[in-house]
Amino acid sequence: AQSVTQPDIHITVSEGASLELRCNYSYGATPYLFWYVQSPGQGLQLLLKYFSGDTLVQGIKGFEAEFKRSQSSFNLRKPSVHWSDAAEYFCAVDDFGNEKLTFGTGTRLTIIP
Amino acid sequence: NAGVTQTPKFQVLKTGQSMTLQCAQDMNHNSMYWYRQDPGMGLRLIYYSASEGTTDKGEVPNGYNVSRLNKREFSLRLESAAPSQTSVYFCASSLGRGGYTFGSGTRLTVV
Repeated sequence: AQSVTQPDIHITVSEGASLELRCNYSYGATPYLFWYVQSPGQGLQLLLKYFSGDTLVQGIKGFEAEFKRSQSSFNLRKPSVHWSDAAEYFCAVDDFGNEKLTFGTGTRLTIIP
Repeated sequence: NAGVTQTPKFQVLKTGQSMTLQCAQDMNHNSMYWYRQDPGMGLRLIYYSASEGTTDKGEVPNGYNVSRLNKREFSLRLESAAPSQTSVYFCASSLGRGGYTFGSGTRLTVV
């Protein structure tokens, strides 16, 4: 079965600094990959997704992610974080394209002034 | 533009009680899902429904049942609640290719 690993449980970043959240997956083929964000007390919102083609994908709120097949990674980046980016971020993979998502355990992002 | 609506938002149950979590979507999506979220474990799939009239088990189905009442509604039932089912439950729907829309969740405590 496929799995998704988010090695960082909690990351603290200064406002205005750059951000990279790591995601690694275990999968035989090229999966469908996603990043979701969850604000406190809320449901999850889709940030971006990768199916094929250009390995750098752009999402909402200024986020981007890069698919690297050789490293089985799909890291999320933002050049300059804002206090409103404080949330929990989840990487997810589609199970053989059948629309069932497997989620990582999440990375909680704290922004300091 | 309600999206996915879950009720109730909060619930406290005693061990052994039963309850049904309701979920409805107004986006004409075919697929619907129930996940539970526990600290440090991410979201785990309980059941899903690829279309009206079909349901399938996910990763953690034990202790739960589901009903896809129609295209809009997908309910989750706990027949005999246990403390291990204390969690936040999320319903989601999808038109395809991972574009899930999530509800705001139900926080369930079983004492």
